[in-house]
Amino acid sequence: AQSVSQHNHHVILSEAASLELGCNYSYGGTVNLFWYVQYPGQHLQLLLKYFSGDPLVKGIKGFEAEFIKSKFSFNLRKPSVQWSDTAEYFCAVGASGTYKYIFGTGTRLKVLA
Amino acid sequence: EAQVTQNPRYLITVTGKKLTVTCSQNMNHEYMSWYRQDPGLGLRQIYYSMNVEVTDKGDVPEGYKVSRKEKRNFPLILESPSPNQTSLYFCASSSMTDTQYFGPGTRLTVL
Repeated sequence: AQSVSQHNHHVILSEAASLELGCNYSYGGTVNLFWYVQYPGQHLQLLLKYFSGDPLVKGIKGFEAEFIKSKFSFNLRKPSVQWSDTAEYFCAVGASGTYKYIFGTGTRLKVLA
Repeated sequence: EAQVTQNPRYLITVTGKKLTVTCSQNMNHEYMSWYRQDPGLGLRQIYYSMNVEVTDKGDVPEGYKVSRKEKRNFPLILESPSPNQTSLYFCASSSMTDTQYFGPGTRLTVL
């Protein structure tokens, strides 16, 4: 069965610390990969996405993610977090050919000022 | 402005009383989807639609119905709500499996 795993459920960092959130997926076919962010009280917004090409993709607000096909991973990174990055982050997979969209369980990030 | 709208935003109801949550998008997207968000479980897809009159079950379809009679609208119907359907519901639309655009959410409480 298709699945998306996010290994870190809660992360607490101080401002200026580096961030890496793990995401692994299970699907044998072609996928589109996404990271979404949900700020407190708001709906989900796209951070970045990968469809093909350069496996290192850059998104908004200084976030980037690297697709490693051999590891079925799409980890999110940011070199220096800010207090305003406090939010919940979701990895998602859009499975081509099935039209199904699968989200991970999310990672709650709290950045201390 | 490109957007997905949902109504109502908040709803408290009682077990067994049929309800409908509306969803509308103005981006001419083919693909629309409903999710429920529960603590520790992330977003789980309830139903999705690839186009008018074409719908399919997601991972948690039990107790829900949908219809897609027009491209812009994708209502979610709970014919006999139960307390385990208390949740935060999001509608989303996209151009197939591309970026999903989410509505503001509907917080449903079933007593």
